[in-house]
Amino acid sequence: DVKVTQSSRYLVKRTGEKVFLECVQDMDHENMFWYRQDPGLGLRLIYFSYDVKMKEKGDIPEGYSVSREKKERFSLILESASTNQTSMYLCASSLVTGGGHYGYTFGSGTRLTVV
Amino acid sequence: AQKVTQAQTEISVVEKEDVTLDCVYETRDTTYYLFWYKQPPSGELVFLIRRNSFDEQNEISGRYSWNFQKSTSSFNFTITASQVVDSAVYFCALTSTQTGNQFYFGTGTSLTVIP
Repeated sequence: DVKVTQSSRYLVKRTGEKVFLECVQDMDHENMFWYRQDPGLGLRLIYFSYDVKMKEKGDIPEGYSVSREKKERFSLILESASTNQTSMYLCASSLVTGGGHYGYTFGSGTRLTVV
Repeated sequence: AQKVTQAQTEISVVEKEDVTLDCVYETRDTTYYLFWYKQPPSGELVFLIRRNSFDEQNEISGRYSWNFQKSTSSFNFTITASQVVDSAVYFCALTSTQTGNQFYFGTGTSLTVIP
């Protein structure tokens, strides 16, 4: 089974801190994604990557950056954390072949609180 | 444009009742994929089903069934004889060849099954 591992389940950070959220997948998927989930807003795409060193902005990239130096690892960076970035962050990876799209595999999420 | 609408924000049912979660989608692409995910209180989104646009057969898996109707752009999910363990947030999602590998999620339906 594909495993997507997020390094922290819960994080508490102070306003202004630089925050790193790490995500690792073990099934050689090219595609990786970062979402944030907020009540009433569902899942919103922050950034995604189709390949190493490649990144694309999603719907809400402001205040975030990403890094993908290795295929299996996709990091989300909050350059200067703010209270409005308090949220659940979900990492996902996916496989697309000639047979079609097989869906996302999600990590268990990181609940970030910025105080 | 791609869009998924889950009009039901919250649903409560008594255990053993049947419940249907609605999902309406919009896409102009002829090749697309629809998914349902379950998010229990633990937080991790769990894949339930994938359906491609060329396969309109309904599917049944135990107490779960899915009704895909292209004529109404709907992909509804029914739980028969609901159980407390079904309490979760359920997300419907869409991806298509036009969106590349990006998913479009509905805002989710929170289901509470009361014992």
